[in-house]
Amino acid sequence: DQQVKQNSPSLSVQEGRISILNCDYTNSMFDYFLWYKKYPAEGPTFLISISSIKDKNEDGRFTVFLNKSAKHLSLHIVPSQPGDSAVYFCAARGGAGGKLIFGQGTELSVKP
Amino acid sequence: GAVVSQHPSRVICKSGTSVKIECRSLDFQATTMFWYRQFPKQSLMLMATSNEGSKATYEQGVEKDKFLINHASLTLSTLTVTSAHPEDSSFYICSALGRGSYEQYFGPGTRLTVT
Repeated sequence: DQQVKQNSPSLSVQEGRISILNCDYTNSMFDYFLWYKKYPAEGPTFLISISSIKDKNEDGRFTVFLNKSAKHLSLHIVPSQPGDSAVYFCAARGGAGGKLIFGQGTELSVKP
Repeated sequence: GAVVSQHPSRVICKSGTSVKIECRSLDFQATTMFWYRQFPKQSLMLMATSNEGSKATYEQGVEKDKFLINHASLTLSTLTVTSAHPEDSSFYICSALGRGSYEQYFGPGTRLTVT
């Protein structure tokens, strides 16, 4: 049972345009959501997070939106840069001890 | 951000042998550390959660006698893959959580190849 889903395995965007990565979840008890960026053969790097009591969090070029009624969150990157090309994972925090549930990842390719 | 290291970054071992992977939080005390494995083109699968000074909590389907986890201090957790088999070949990643923190900080990962 996949509690966190990223339905788009890949996304291609032109440099300078907006990248929108989507994530859906099923468990309404998740209280915190995070986005991570990952390069091959490396560990994920934390990007941005949002608490379930908020609907938006912005940090530079990265903005995360949370729609609790739809159980949906998205990561907006604007403007997109070639260095943003990587796999992006969304994760939800649920249960005791800070355990994270990860989505399958979306591979973003930003073309010059 | 916080720094987490893993050692070794890459290891090749023969079937039947054991391999130990270390995970260290370098600039903060990690009350909880997590161990994940990732197969190619797949998501990160949580294997176990370890809290300093107590036994690890394993996810369903993960053999605790095969994947031994020790969290002896607030900055070090180890994962030992015992009697390794080729199907244990994978990318193993640890993460660390500081007290009162929500963000997990990940190590760079360890590529294990069992021949």
